[in-house]
Amino acid sequence: EAGVVQSPRYKIIEKKQPVAFWCNPISGHNTLYWYLQNLGQGPELLIRYENEEAVDDSQLPKDRFSAERLKGVDSTLKIQPAELGDSAVYLCASSHRDPTTDTQYFGPGTRLTVL
Amino acid sequence: KNQVEQSPQSLIILEGKNCTLQCNYTVSPFSNLRWYKQDTGRGPVSLTIMTFSENTKSNGRYTATLDADTKQSSLHITASQLSDSASYICVVSAGREYGNKLVFGAGTILRVKS
Repeated sequence: EAGVVQSPRYKIIEKKQPVAFWCNPISGHNTLYWYLQNLGQGPELLIRYENEEAVDDSQLPKDRFSAERLKGVDSTLKIQPAELGDSAVYLCASSHRDPTTDTQYFGPGTRLTVL
Repeated sequence: KNQVEQSPQSLIILEGKNCTLQCNYTVSPFSNLRWYKQDTGRGPVSLTIMTFSENTKSNGRYTATLDADTKQSSLHITASQLSDSASYICVVSAGREYGNKLVFGAGTILRVKS
């Protein structure tokens, strides 16, 4: 069974440019998460979807970040415009249904460098 | 103050030796506590999940313990291997009443030397 797929794996852009990340969760997983991870830190939740609905986006900087999960499967995370401080690894994860009990499976992440 | 504190921040041990990583948390109440292993350049992989009523769980050479009274957990690695070199992250699930929040620690970086 394929795991969580993310693309691209690496992205280098100049500040003020837009960037988008794509995530394909494990088949059948209803819950999808986007995390930001800075070097030497644990992941920080940006947004959580249950099917198509964003049920927790309280930590998403909505002035520049947006996300969508059309049809409750794939998801994209966009930053526009990117800032130097956005350089980090963006992780996507999915779980079957219940975020309190189900195992989360993480993708390999997208490493973003903003110059 | 982070609600999940891990120690040590980093650790170097010789191959074959045992080690124990610590996690102290203040998240309360909680549904479960998880330990993840994150290899460099990869996403975290789940090692164990323990509910508040469990006090130990094993996964091969990894054994996690939980003391819900003192709000402490530990991850014990037996007979370490070079492939155990990774970051180990403690995660506490705050449960439905707190919006199903997962609170992540900063991780302990383990390096196993030959």
